[in-house]
Amino acid sequence: AQSVTQLGSHVSVSEGALVLLRCNYSSSVPPYLFWYVQYPNQGLQLLLKYTTGATLVKGINGFEAEFKKSETSFHLTKPSAHMSDAAEYFCAVSPTDKLIFGTGTRLQVFP
Amino acid sequence: DGGITQSPKYLFRKEGQNVTLSCEQNLNHDAMYWYRQDPGQGLRLIYYSQIVNDFQKGDIAEGYSVSREKKESFPLTVTSAQKNPTAFYLCASSGSQGRTEAFFGQGTRLTVV
Repeated sequence: AQSVTQLGSHVSVSEGALVLLRCNYSSSVPPYLFWYVQYPNQGLQLLLKYTTGATLVKGINGFEAEFKKSETSFHLTKPSAHMSDAAEYFCAVSPTDKLIFGTGTRLQVFP
Repeated sequence: DGGITQSPKYLFRKEGQNVTLSCEQNLNHDAMYWYRQDPGQGLRLIYYSQIVNDFQKGDIAEGYSVSREKKESFPLTVTSAQKNPTAFYLCASSGSQGRTEAFFGQGTRLTVV
C-alpha cells in the first residue's frame, strides 16, 4: 500500500535558520511526490513536485526538496526561514490515480 | 481567472440534516477530489472522480455522497448518516488522474450543532 510519513507534527525554528521538514514514502510504483503549503483556513498551494529526472527539485518561496530513492525520502528544506513561512506543510505521493497525503507538519518561526 | 471555487466558506447545520457542499472548476480538469481535514489527521480522501458520470469511494466515504453530472462540478452531500460531520472540507482537481499536481479550493468549514 502507498503511504506517506511526515516525521514531526510541529517544527520550530528561528528566523534565518535552516528549515528541514521530513517526508518518507512507501510506493510500489515509481512515485510522483509533492509538497504543499496551507495557511490558516485556506486551501493547499503547491510548493514543488518531483515526477522524473533531476532529483533536486526547486520550488516557490526558496524551498527545495531532494528525492532519494534509496532512503524513500523527499525532505523539504529552505536555507533561511522567514516569518511568512509559518504554515502547515503536507507531503503527498501519487502512485497512480489519486493523491495520498501525510498528516502534515506545522512550522513555527520565531523572531 | 482559472481556478476552483468552493461555496460556501462557512456552513452551519443542525444535526440530522443533509447538507451539500459546492465545488466548481474552470480548469478543464478531468479528475476531481473531496478531502476531509481534521486537526492532526492530515487530508483524508472521501470520494474522487476521474471522468463525468463516474466516481470512486475514498478512504472515508461512509455518510457521504457525490455526483459528477458535469465536468466542471463535483458536489458533496454530507448526510445524516455521517456520525461526526464537523470538519474542514477541501475540493481539488487535477489534469490527469492524479499523476499531476492537484489544485485546491479555499475549503468549506462545516459545523453541525
